Amino acid sequence: QSVLTQPPSASGTPGQRVTISCSGSSSNIGKNYVYWYQQLPGTAPKLLIYRNNQRPSGVPDRFSGSKSGTSASLAISGLRSEDETDYYCATWDDSLSGAVFGGGTKLTVL
Amino acid sequence: EIQLLESGGGLVQPGGSLRLSCAASGFSFSNYALSWVRQAPGKGLEWVSGVSSATGSTYYADSVKGRFTVSRDNSKNTLDLQMNSLRVEDTAVYYCAKAYCSSDSCYFGHMDVWGKGTTVTVSS
Repeated sequence: QSVLTQPPSASGTPGQRVTISCSGSSSNIGKNYVYWYQQLPGTAPKLLIYRNNQRPSGVPDRFSGSKSGTSASLAISGLRSEDETDYYCATWDDSLSGAVFGGGTKLTVL
Repeated sequence: EIQLLESGGGLVQPGGSLRLSCAASGFSFSNYALSWVRQAPGKGLEWVSGVSSATGSTYYADSVKGRFTVSRDNSKNTLDLQMNSLRVEDTAVYYCAKAYCSSDSCYFGHMDVWGKGTTVTVSS
C-alpha cells in the first residue's frame, strides 16, 4: 500500500490529452514538492517533472505537472505511442522522514 | 558525464547479508545527497534509504529500518548499502540515485541521475 495514491492504469488515443493523478496528505504533497518519473521497460526511471511543474532539459513540453493542496497531476498532451509506459509520482514525507512514491500508473496508448 | 554504477547484487539466502555499492563519477560527490530505490519484480518503485550531503544524516523506509545501513565515502565517491537479515520480500532491483541539492537544501524526492541498478535475489 503506497503512501501516494495513483490510478493503476490510464489510457488515451494518439493526439489526445491524458492526466494521471497522485493523491497524498498534508505531511507529504501538502508540504513538499512533487516529482514525476517515467520508466520504460527494463530501464531506470527518468525524471520527468520536478518542483511540481518544472521540466528538465530535454523533456518535451507535452508533459506538464500541477499541484493543488494534497494532490498533484501529470498531464500529457498530444499523446504518442512512445508515451506508453509507467509513470510514478514522488515526494518527501515529513512524518515518515523519507521519500515516498506512488504505486505507479501504466499508460496505454490505444 | 555524470554516472552512477551499482554493484554487489546477487543471490542470498533468507537471513543472510549483502553489501551493495554505488560508484559515482562526473560530479562533485560530496555536495549531493544520495538515495537507494528498489523495485521488486513486476512492482512499483520503493524508496529505501538516503544520506544527506553536508551532515551525512541517514534516512530509512520503515520496511528496512534496523536491517539496512547506508553509508558514503566522500574520499572514494562511493555509496554503500549494508543489508542484513534479508527477507524474500527484499528481492528487487536496487538503484542508486543522486538527489538535487540547492545552496541550502537537498531534495530526496528530486532524483535527477540514476544508475542502471543491481539485482538482489533472496531465496533458499
